[in-house]
Order: sequence, then structure tokens, then C-alpha cells
Amino acid sequence: EVQLAESGGVVVQPGGSLRLSCAASGFTFDDYTMHWVRQAPGKGLEWVSLISWDGSRTDYADSVKGRFTISRDNSKNSLYLQMNSLRSEDNALYYCVAVVLATAFWGPGTLVTVSS
Amino acid sequence: NFMLTQPHSVSESPGKTVTISCTRSSGSIASNYVQWYQQRPGRSPTTVIYEDNRRPSGVPDRFSGSIDSSSNSASLIISGLKTEDEADYYCQSSDSTNRVVFGGGTQLTVL
Repeated sequence: EVQLAESGGVVVQPGGSLRLSCAASGFTFDDYTMHWVRQAPGKGLEWVSLISWDGSRTDYADSVKGRFTISRDNSKNSLYLQMNSLRSEDNALYYCVAVVLATAFWGPGTLVTVSS
Repeated sequence: NFMLTQPHSVSESPGKTVTISCTRSSGSIASNYVQWYQQRPGRSPTTVIYEDNRRPSGVPDRFSGSIDSSSNSASLIISGLKTEDEADYYCQSSDSTNRVVFGGGTQLTVL
């Protein structure tokens, strides 16, 4: 069974930094591309970033490009999102998503609150 | 990049069939697979349809998906509606570089 567990979400001031983590289990982690997707309170889903199985390819939504960095450690079955220069519009529940054999699996999410 | 447009909300009675549309703004709907996700209140999304019309194991066959090139849209069809189907539904596709695009979501009310 695919399991994803995000952590690291806290309250942070505008301009601050945060690192989210996602622990994966139940599948061969280093075979698959991983994504971060976020959902602002009461809003829809917004894709944030992806990283290829070996980390050689990354991509970002325009709204976070230059501020967020995605990475992974296949030896630890873990995905990360380094978030810098945080803004109020980054307030959201952040989901780790694995697409395994064409089916997307979502974690429970971790809440990031940007507030002074 | 392209956009995916969904109706904001739909409603239907239990036992009936509802169709939720997802229209692609540019480029062919058939050029990249479409997925559909169900999100019940307070829960994470789950996949109900992948690769246009395939169901993950455990998803009832009341859920089906299709694409229509003439209208450049995808559809999620839910038959035999149950109250437990009440949720937000999101379509999703990708562009040529595998960047992910979500529709704005449709709130389904079963009343």
C-alpha cells in the first residue's frame, strides 16, 4: 500500500523559509517522479513542483519559481520542498503526490501558514 | 500553457447520473491523458479515473471517464448516484513537458 506522510508545516513570517518533508513507503520510491501540490484554504488544487526519479529533472509553477527548491533522497525514500521568501499567497495545505503505475496517490498534507 | 475549465457546481438526485465536464482551452484534449480526483470534505484527493477512462482498483464501476475531441473536453460520468459521492471533483492533465494542470474543481451535491 502506497503511503505518504508530509511534515514540516508551521506558522512562518512573510519573507521566512521552511523545509517540508515527505516520507514514502509501500512502493519503489526511486522508480517514480514525485510532485508537490498545494491547496489554499477553500480553494482548488495548484501544482507546485515535480522531480524525476533520479532528481535530474525538476520543474516549478511560475508562482514559486526561484523561491522553492524540490529535492529527494532515494536512500531515505524521502521528498523535500525548500521554501524561501514566503508570501501570504503561499498559505496552503501542501500535498506530496506519487504517481505509481499511472495512478496518483496523495498524502494527508502539511499546513503552511504565512503570517506576521 | 493551457487551462482546464470545469463547472463550479452540479447537483443531482440519488440514483441518477451526472456528468462533469472539463474543457481544455488550447491544444488537443487527446494529446495528454486526463485524470479525475475526488476530494471529500476535510480529506485528501483520491484518484477515481486515470488515463482518460481507467479506474483504479477499488473505485466502483459507477465512475467512468471519456474524452471528446469535437468539444475538446473530458467528462466524468457518475451513475447510480449515492450520497457518499458528494465531493469536489478535479480534472487534471499535463502539458508536453509534463507540467501538471488542474481544473478549478466542481462541487457535486447529491440531494
